[in-house]
Amino acid sequence: QKEVEQNSGPLSVPEGAIASLNCTYSDRGSQSFFWYRQYSGKSPELIMFIYSNGDKEDGRFTAQLNKASQYVSLLIRDSQPSDSATYLCAVNPDQAGTALIFGKGTTLSVSS
Amino acid sequence: DTAVSQTPKYLVTQMGNDKSIKCEQNLGHDTMYWYKQDSKKFLKIMFSYNNKELIINETVPNRFSPKSPDKAHLNLHINSLELGDSAVYFCASSPYPSGGPDTQYFGPGTRLTVL
Repeated sequence: QKEVEQNSGPLSVPEGAIASLNCTYSDRGSQSFFWYRQYSGKSPELIMFIYSNGDKEDGRFTAQLNKASQYVSLLIRDSQPSDSATYLCAVNPDQAGTALIFGKGTTLSVSS
Repeated sequence: DTAVSQTPKYLVTQMGNDKSIKCEQNLGHDTMYWYKQDSKKFLKIMFSYNNKELIINETVPNRFSPKSPDKAHLNLHINSLELGDSAVYFCASSPYPSGGPDTQYFGPGTRLTVL
C-alpha cells in the first residue's frame, strides 16, 4: 500500500514567520512530488512540484526533497494570513500520467 | 477562461437515485481524472482516462461508471446512490503523455449530498 503521511496539524505560526510543512512517502520508486494548497470549500491549487533532490524556490515558497529519506517539505517564508489553508502533499508513485497519491493534509493557521 | 469545469457544483439527491456529474477541460490535456474527497478531506483517485481510454480504475463500486466521449470531457455516472457516496468529487486533467511537467489541474468540485 503506497502511502503519503502528513501531520494533520493545525500548525499555527505568527504573521511574518516561516512555516515548515513536512511529508513522508512509502514508495521509494516515486518520481515526482507536488504541493497543493486547498482553501476551505475550494479545489486543490498547485503551488509547486519537485523532481530532483535538493531545494526548489518559487517566491516565498521553497520545496525540499530528500529521496534517500523519502521526505518532502514545503517552507513558506514571511507567512501571511492569506496562507491559512490546508496544504496537501502529493506523490506520483511511478510514472507520469498515473494518479497522485495524496496525504491527508496539514492545516496551517497564520495569525496577524 | 475556465480551465477545468464541472457541473453541477452542488447535487442533493435521495438514496437510490441515479445521477451524473460532467467535467470539461479546455487545456488540451490528454489525461483526465476523477478524485473523491471524503468528509475527512482525504483525496483519493477513482478513475483516470487517457485520450478516451480508461487507464486507472481503483477499487470503486461498479455503481460508478465513467464515460469519456472525447479527450476534453470525462463524465461520472452513479447508480443507486448510497449515503456513503456523499463527498466532494473533483475532476482533474494533466498533460501526460505530452511534454512538460506532469502536474494535475483540478476543477472546482461537485459536492454530492445523498439524503
